Amino acid sequence: QVQLVQSGAEVKKPGSSVKVSCKASGGTFSSYVISWVRQAPGQGLEWMGGIIPIFATANYAQKFQGRVTITTDESTSTAYMELSSLRSEDTAVYYCARVRGGYPGNWFDPWGQGTLVTVSS
Amino acid sequence: DIQMTQSPSSLSASVGDRVTITCRASQSISSYLNWYQQKPGKAPKLLIYAASSLKSGVPSRFSGSGSGTDFTLTISSLQPEDFATYYCQQSYSTLITFGQGTRLEIK
Repeated sequence: QVQLVQSGAEVKKPGSSVKVSCKASGGTFSSYVISWVRQAPGQGLEWMGGIIPIFATANYAQKFQGRVTITTDESTSTAYMELSSLRSEDTAVYYCARVRGGYPGNWFDPWGQGTLVTVSS
Repeated sequence: DIQMTQSPSSLSASVGDRVTITCRASQSISSYLNWYQQKPGKAPKLLIYAASSLKSGVPSRFSGSGSGTDFTLTISSLQPEDFATYYCQQSYSTLITFGQGTRLEIK
């Protein structure tokens, strides 16, 4: 049973960066694809990006291009999402999720528990 | 990007009711459509993948249908634990997009 456990809540200043981790257990991490999704307070789900193994590169939503970096560390079975140049609008819960299925035609299951990032001066 | 539009945005229903939520894509996405349930303060959970495949362990009162641009999620007989927000998500494009969500409330 795959489980994803994320790092704890963060409070950041505008203009700074945040790096959220997502540690996997219960499977073979090298075969994982991880995506990141965020949810602003009271809002819907917004996909940020993910790593597609067949392309061996990360794929990012245009909105976050240049500000987000998704990486993985197989030695610790951990995925990371780093978001830079933070602004108040980046205050949100950030989720990691394992990507299942193929390309096209994949889905997110399971999800991490979420990490609240608050951007405030 | 492919736009996903859910309707209604919110819905009031009673235990035992049959409920249908609709999701429309801005272009054809074949059957690459998934449904998630989210309860307050919790992460989303997968219900249906590939438009109509029920995830193992999800109650059979949940069902999905559709292809192309129009999809539905149906709950055949609402249970108290089903009151939540539901999201559709397309994976036809490598640029994933979600619907805005449908909040299902108790009448």
